[in-house]
Amino acid sequence: EPEVTQTPSHQVTQMGQEVILRCVPISNHLYFYWYRQILGQKVEFLVSFYNNEISEKSEIFDDQFSVERPDGSNFTLKIRSTKLEDSAMYFCASHLGSGANVLTFGAGSRLTVL
Amino acid sequence: AQSVAQPEDQVNVAEGNPLTVKCTYSVSGNPYLFWYVQYPNRGLQFLLKYITGDNLVKGSYGFEAEFNKSQTSFHLKKPSALVSDSALYFCAVRDYNTDKLIFGTGTRLQVFP
Repeated sequence: EPEVTQTPSHQVTQMGQEVILRCVPISNHLYFYWYRQILGQKVEFLVSFYNNEISEKSEIFDDQFSVERPDGSNFTLKIRSTKLEDSAMYFCASHLGSGANVLTFGAGSRLTVL
Repeated sequence: AQSVAQPEDQVNVAEGNPLTVKCTYSVSGNPYLFWYVQYPNRGLQFLLKYITGDNLVKGSYGFEAEFNKSQTSFHLKKPSALVSDSALYFCAVRDYNTDKLIFGTGTRLQVFP
């Protein structure tokens, strides 16, 4: 069964450092998302991406965050200058098209900011 | 705005007993509703969805959910719980305008042997 893959599975960084989280969505999917979950709590929407541009972003997704689909397969989330409160599990998701399509999530990247 | 509510932080049930995890929704128009499960240190796995049609939706691992329009509910159920069902369960609704999923706060299901 096709999967969304995410790397790294766990990253530890110092506050103020840049972090890039990588995702390879399912190959024929067109819509891409990043969500985050702080320590077993609610899953929060960060950003959606379609047709090589951001469709929507939440208030969490401030100027420190950016997304990119550099080569048609990878979908990256960059945090420019990490803060302690960025420590969370970050999930990438994708789906084929609008409407009732199911979002398929990756296993997540755990980010720990020290 | 679309939203879902999961009123219970935790549900405890004995193995072999039926389980119910509650979810209520608030949408304008017809809802697209989903249940996802998260096992420890894992990602979110799709269980089932309601789009239209039969109010009883069957999903993975023996789970089912009942869509009730008058009560605006979409409760997750299983006739006989297993210890391996212990996990975090999320109800979600699809936002019409943006297609993003909006998740509830999650319910931790603990099944005791």
